[in-house]
Amino acid sequence: AQKITQTQPGMFVQEKEAVTLDCTYDTSDQSYGLFWYKQPSSGEMIFLIYQGSYDEQNATEGRYSLNFQKARKSANLVISASQLGDSAMYFCAMSLPGGNKLVFGAGTILRVKS
Amino acid sequence: GAGVSQSPSNKVTEKGKDVELRCDPISGHTALYWYRQSLGQGLEFLIYFQGNSAPDKSGLPSDRFSAERTGGSVSTLTIQRTQQEDSAVYLCASSLIAGGRTDTQYFGPGTRLTVL
Repeated sequence: AQKITQTQPGMFVQEKEAVTLDCTYDTSDQSYGLFWYKQPSSGEMIFLIYQGSYDEQNATEGRYSLNFQKARKSANLVISASQLGDSAMYFCAMSLPGGNKLVFGAGTILRVKS
Repeated sequence: GAGVSQSPSNKVTEKGKDVELRCDPISGHTALYWYRQSLGQGLEFLIYFQGNSAPDKSGLPSDRFSAERTGGSVSTLTIQRTQQEDSAVYLCASSLIAGGRTDTQYFGPGTRLTVL
């Protein structure tokens, strides 16, 4: 069965520094998508970044980049130049062929310190 | 444009009552999804609609849960005879085309359901 593992329940980072949030996944499918979402305390789920399993380049979106290592089945999120507003829960998710549902990890709480 | 909207934002009900949760997807999005998030947990898939196809109900936890999507747009998730373990945030998402590699789901603000 498909599974997403986020091993860091909580992380702290100093403002303006970079932080890496870990995500590993398990699937036997060759075609899949990997997503990161941010969930602030207000509760909404905000899409951050996407990586397709066939994409050769690591995805980047502004201060977010995805360190995709297919052989290791990892899709770590890197946030550069952390800001106080980055404090939130971060979820890694995987979509499967047909795109009909996302499988989510348990999430990592990130706290940015000033 | 407008994002995914959900109503009500909060719902408190008594055990045994039925509740209806509404989702209005982004205009033009053909796929609609329901997820449930229990306190401090990740999201759990419930049901998925794509166009006129039969919905994927594989995530519904019991037959007390049902959902419909009228006219390919608005969806209603119904929970009958609510139990305390149904207390959670119910999130709706929509996407433009299901199946594409770049299909991204956009979420609504959720409905927080509390069953007393």
